[in-house]
Amino acid sequence: NAGVTQTPKFRVLKTGQSMTLLCAQDMNHEYMYWYRQDPGMGLRLIHYSVGEGTTAKGEVPDGYNVSRLKKQNFLLGLESAAPSQTSVYFCASSFGPGELFFGEGSRLTVL
Amino acid sequence: AQSVTQLDSQVPVFEEAPVELRCNYSSSVSVYLFWYVQYPNQGLQLLLKYLSGSTLVESINGFEAEFNKSQTSFHLRKPSVHISDTAEYFCAVSDPNSGNTPLVFGKGTRLSVIA
Repeated sequence: NAGVTQTPKFRVLKTGQSMTLLCAQDMNHEYMYWYRQDPGMGLRLIHYSVGEGTTAKGEVPDGYNVSRLKKQNFLLGLESAAPSQTSVYFCASSFGPGELFFGEGSRLTVL
Repeated sequence: AQSVTQLDSQVPVFEEAPVELRCNYSSSVSVYLFWYVQYPNQGLQLLLKYLSGSTLVESINGFEAEFNKSQTSFHLRKPSVHISDTAEYFCAVSDPNSGNTPLVFGKGTRLSVIA
């Protein structure tokens, strides 16, 4: 009964390095989301997907790319990491634009 | 576009005291409303939701929230808090008529229960 699984859970990068966060869900949800959480800022939507092969920009998409090649997976990429991208990243999924199920988060530090 | 305001960023309260966490949303003809809870070092979990019907909704651990359309509010209450309720609470709103628009979250309220 995994739900939403994020990997890796922790990562330290140097400025300019690239990386990919993987989100996998086993609930057959159509919708998937990537949020970042920063102190005092709440949750901010980076990108989301309403189905396999589709993606859309959220509130803070700059510096990130995403792909949804398979329904169960949603990848978040950082091509050239910056210190401003130090954050906790959460993936979520849902049947529609309503109740979300969240992963446990991925803590990224960019030095 | 919808927006959500959580009026208090931090709420300290003594154990067994009542608490209210406030949430207001921008007006809309119809809304779905949610409260999520985030315990330390964990992801968010759904606490309760209002989709339609009774304006008073309850969670399994004693929280309740009331949808007030005239005040555009969805405040979260608990008559007697426990230490284990210490967490961050997020209010969220969606417009069921807006197609694929995702949930909009408030900035969160950190509830600290003091022994």
